[in-house]
Formats: sequence, C-alpha cells, structure tokens
Amino acid sequence: KQEVTQIPAALSVPEGENLVLNCSFTDSAIYNLQWFRQDPGKGLTSLLLIQSSQREQTSGRLNASLDKSSGRSTLYIAASQPGDSATYLCAVGAGSNYKLTFGKGTLLTVNP
Amino acid sequence: NAGVTQTPKFQVLKTGQSMTLQCAQDMNHEYMSWYRQDPGMGLRLIHYSVGAGITDQGEVPNGYNVSRSTTEDFPLRLLSAAPSQTSVYFCASSYRPGSKNIQYFGAGTRLSVL
Repeated sequence: KQEVTQIPAALSVPEGENLVLNCSFTDSAIYNLQWFRQDPGKGLTSLLLIQSSQREQTSGRLNASLDKSSGRSTLYIAASQPGDSATYLCAVGAGSNYKLTFGKGTLLTVNP
Repeated sequence: NAGVTQTPKFQVLKTGQSMTLQCAQDMNHEYMSWYRQDPGMGLRLIHYSVGAGITDQGEVPNGYNVSRSTTEDFPLRLLSAAPSQTSVYFCASSYRPGSKNIQYFGAGTRLSVL
C-alpha cells in the first residue's frame, strides 16, 4: 500500500527566506506527483504536477523536484511571502485507475 | 468558468439521517472522485468514477454510495449518517486518468453528524 509522508508537519519562517518542503513515498511505481496548496477552510489548488518521467517543474517562485527511484520530492519556495502561508500537500498518482494518495501536509507560516 | 461546484457548503445531520452531497463540474472531465479530510488523517479516497456509468470504490467506501449518470454530476449519498462520518468532503475532477492531468478540487462540504 502506498504511503506518503511529509516533513516537517509545520514550519514557521521569516519573510524573504527560501525554504524546502519534503515529501516521500514508499512505492516508486507512480504516474505523477502533485503539490497542492490549501488555505484554511478552502479547497485544494494544484501548484505543480511532475510526471514520472520528469525531474522537476517550475512555476514562478516555486520549484518541485522528483527522484522516483529514491521515493522523494521537494518543493522549493524562493523569497517567501506572508501570502504563502497555507498548508502544502503532496499527492502521488498510481494504479490502474490513477488514484491519488495524499500526505498529511506541511503547515507553513511566513511571518512579516 | 465555474470549475468544480459542491453543495451544500455546510450541513448538520442527526445520526441515522440520509443526505446527498452534490458535485458538478463544467469542464467535461471524465474522471471524478470524492475524498474526505479528517484531522491527522489527510485526504482519503471514498469513491471515484472514470466516466458516466462507471464507478469504483476507494480506500474508505463503507457507508457511502455514488452514481454517475452524466459526465457533469457525481453525487455522494450517505444512507444512514453516523458520527464517524463527521468530516470535510471534497470532490475533484480531471480530464481523464493519466500522468498529465491535474486534479481540480471543489471548495468542500463541511458535515457534522450529531
């Protein structure tokens, strides 16, 4: 059974700092990995999707990497801002009907 | 473009009552799914559908029913609500199952069962 772990569970940083969020998964037979953002009381918004054949994806200040063989992904946020405060979730897609398995998330707080 | 729309946003039920959580998408997506989100548990897949007329069970299907009569709609039915079903429910959709297709989520339905 696929298991997804996110470390740390919570992170507090001052504004402007660069930071890395970690995600690990136990079964490397995945189709893709997605990073999502969830604001309090809201739904999930997809930030980046990395296909299993790719190594990284970038969008603005966000960069996500994937090392499928070691079962790891990182989300790098450059020059963090208070508006980046949210819970960040990673999810791996796998199986014959492409099911998503989620980690429990990292709660990020960026302090002004 | 509305995306994925869930109704209601909030609901309080008594144990044993039944209700239907509605989910609709206007993106002509083939793949739709329901998750529940509980503190400390993350999101868990309840049921999913790869197209109209086709549904299957996810990780935690007990106590829930689904049907997919149209591409747009994927309702989730609670037949006899239990306190253990108190949770936040999210509906998601994507163009089709596959490595390139991101999932779009609705805003959620917050359900309390007393």
